[in-house]
Amino acid sequence: EAGVAQSPRYKIIEKRQSVAFWCNPISGHATLYWYQQILGQGPKLLIQFQNNGVVDDSQLPKDRFSAERLKGVDSTLKIQPAKLEDSAVYLCASSARLAGGDTQYFGPGTRLTVL
Amino acid sequence: GQQLNQSPQSMFIQEGEDVSMNCTSSSIFNTWLWYKQDPGEGPVLLIALYKAGELTSNGRLTAQFGITRKDSFLNISASIPSDVGIYFCAGRSSNSGYALNFGKGTSLLVTP
Repeated sequence: EAGVAQSPRYKIIEKRQSVAFWCNPISGHATLYWYQQILGQGPKLLIQFQNNGVVDDSQLPKDRFSAERLKGVDSTLKIQPAKLEDSAVYLCASSARLAGGDTQYFGPGTRLTVL
Repeated sequence: GQQLNQSPQSMFIQEGEDVSMNCTSSSIFNTWLWYKQDPGEGPVLLIALYKAGELTSNGRLTAQFGITRKDSFLNISASIPSDVGIYFCAGRSSNSGYALNFGKGTSLLVTP
């Protein structure tokens, strides 16, 4: 079974530029998550989708971050414009169901550096 | 989200030693999870706990869900070099829906 795929693996941009990350979840997984992991900290949930609907985006900085999952499979996360403090690893995860005990499988992440 | 306090921040041990790390929260959780993250990779689930007092093992790893539902610990017995990595606790409460709250991690180094 293929895991969660993310691209690119690394991205370096200057502040005020835009950037987009792509995630392909495990086949058949209905729930998809985007996390931000700042160096030295644990992942922080940004947004959670159930199929193509948003379940939780309470911690997403909506003035600059946006995410979509139009067909309920792949997802993109965009930052526009980027700030220095956005430098982090962006992790995508998926799970089979929207359930409290469901296992979340993480992708390798995209490491973003904002100069 | 709720803040989790994970300790110790780092550990430097010799191969064969046992390791213990723990996580505490000011809020009650109904799920505790332990993940391991290797450099350049995403976290991988090690153990999941769903009931207060639950003690679960996965090979050399043992984790417990605290009776108060505000804490959990992870033990690794007879450590080996491949145990090196960052270990994260994560909790889920009924107030947070399905969102996981992660600790800051325990960095484990094992010398041969």
